[in-house]
Amino acid sequence: AQSVTQLDSQVPVFEEAPVELRCNYSSSVSVYLFWYVQYPNQGLQLLLKYLSGSTLVESINGFEAEFNKSQTSFHLRKPSVHISDTAEYFCAVSKSGGSNYKLTFGKGTLLTVNP
Amino acid sequence: DAGVIQSPRHEVTEMGQEVTLRCKPISGHNSLFWYRQTMMRGLELLIYFNNNVPIDDSGMPEDRFSAKMPNASFSTLKIQPSEPRDSAVYFCASIRTGGSSYNEQFFGPGTRLTVL
Repeated sequence: AQSVTQLDSQVPVFEEAPVELRCNYSSSVSVYLFWYVQYPNQGLQLLLKYLSGSTLVESINGFEAEFNKSQTSFHLRKPSVHISDTAEYFCAVSKSGGSNYKLTFGKGTLLTVNP
Repeated sequence: DAGVIQSPRHEVTEMGQEVTLRCKPISGHNSLFWYRQTMMRGLELLIYFNNNVPIDDSGMPEDRFSAKMPNASFSTLKIQPSEPRDSAVYFCASIRTGGSSYNEQFFGPGTRLTVL
């Protein structure tokens, strides 16, 4: 079975500051890794994913995450945040390969960007 | 595309009543997932279907919960009888499985259930 730990339940930052949201996972098999974002009163949207290849993956709105197999981490970073980035961010994992699409989510990190 | 559609968006009911949540997946998607989100437990997978067949229902909390997918475009999650601890946001997600690439799950807007 897989598990995901998001170390910070809340992260307040000021606008234009850098941010890192931490995610660690546990799995006995190879995994795919994901970050989802949830804006208030909305469903989850995929932000970025790591399946294979380059360990650094980027989203279209400036976020990036790096897969670190030795540290079993997939931290999410952004060099300069905007007010509109205020949302809850979920790290998720699934077994790689085959036909298993079951996701295991962390408990989420609420990012609040203040002016 | 309309995305994943869930109804109702909000439901308030009294303990003991039957509750039915509905989901219409994205056209062409052949797998469907039901999740529950609470402050205490976060986002939990309840059950998922592939080609209308339940594949994994290990997350269904107890016999009061049941889910069906009678066809590729409709699924229901029923709670009977409902209890206050069932209060949560219930999400439905769908995905097109198969092929050579890994496809993402698309989530609906959720149903916020309050059981008094």
